[in-house]
Amino acid sequence: QKEVEQDPGPLSVPEGAIVSLNCTYSNSAFQYFMWYRQYSRKGPELLMYTYSSGNKEDGRFTAQVDKSSKYISLFIRDSQPSDSATYLCAFFSNFGNEKLTFGTGTRLTIIP
Amino acid sequence: DTEVTQTPKHLVMGMTNKKSLKCEQHMGHRAMYWYKQKAKKPPELMFVYSYEKLSINESVPSRFSPECPNSSLLNLHLHALQPEDSALYLCASSGKSRKVNTGELFFGEGSRLTVL
Repeated sequence: QKEVEQDPGPLSVPEGAIVSLNCTYSNSAFQYFMWYRQYSRKGPELLMYTYSSGNKEDGRFTAQVDKSSKYISLFIRDSQPSDSATYLCAFFSNFGNEKLTFGTGTRLTIIP
Repeated sequence: DTEVTQTPKHLVMGMTNKKSLKCEQHMGHRAMYWYKQKAKKPPELMFVYSYEKLSINESVPSRFSPECPNSSLLNLHLHALQPEDSALYLCASSGKSRKVNTGELFFGEGSRLTVL
């Protein structure tokens, strides 16, 4: 079983739709949960960060963590063409070697 | 705008060349990283420096040589690379001077390397 599973897409949705991106993980030691956004030919940008189960909202973005199911989600409301990018989930634990574990990334296109 | 600055943005080199990638951050972060990213793949960790000391080397070939001259600077020296080393090389930093590292990384724009 892979440590992190993320559907690579590609995912295409019309402008204004709600987007749901998901990752599952198997490592119970993960304490911190992140979403990075990466535009083509750019470095990843930290979008959302949380360390507890539940929801965290920032503007049009909501990060959801369910530690019991080992499942995290990112919701984008009122999606815009500028949201077209690759979204990477990422996980971190202070126990062990302090390495960030990335999902494979989901390529998202918002169609005007 | 990213607060992690990488130079050069693009680099083309032959297999016998020696070149360096440079990275700078002024956020007071204690850890700096080099990642390699191939197209349509997530970043792969290469090296981690913590408090200017090499703490993680992910079994990277010796043709890649990292250097951390001070807490704000990170270099990656390249020598005798292979065409398969062509990739986007990303620098990142994390962790203001506090005891707990929470894994929030701040990436630079990357240096796109092509090896001929």
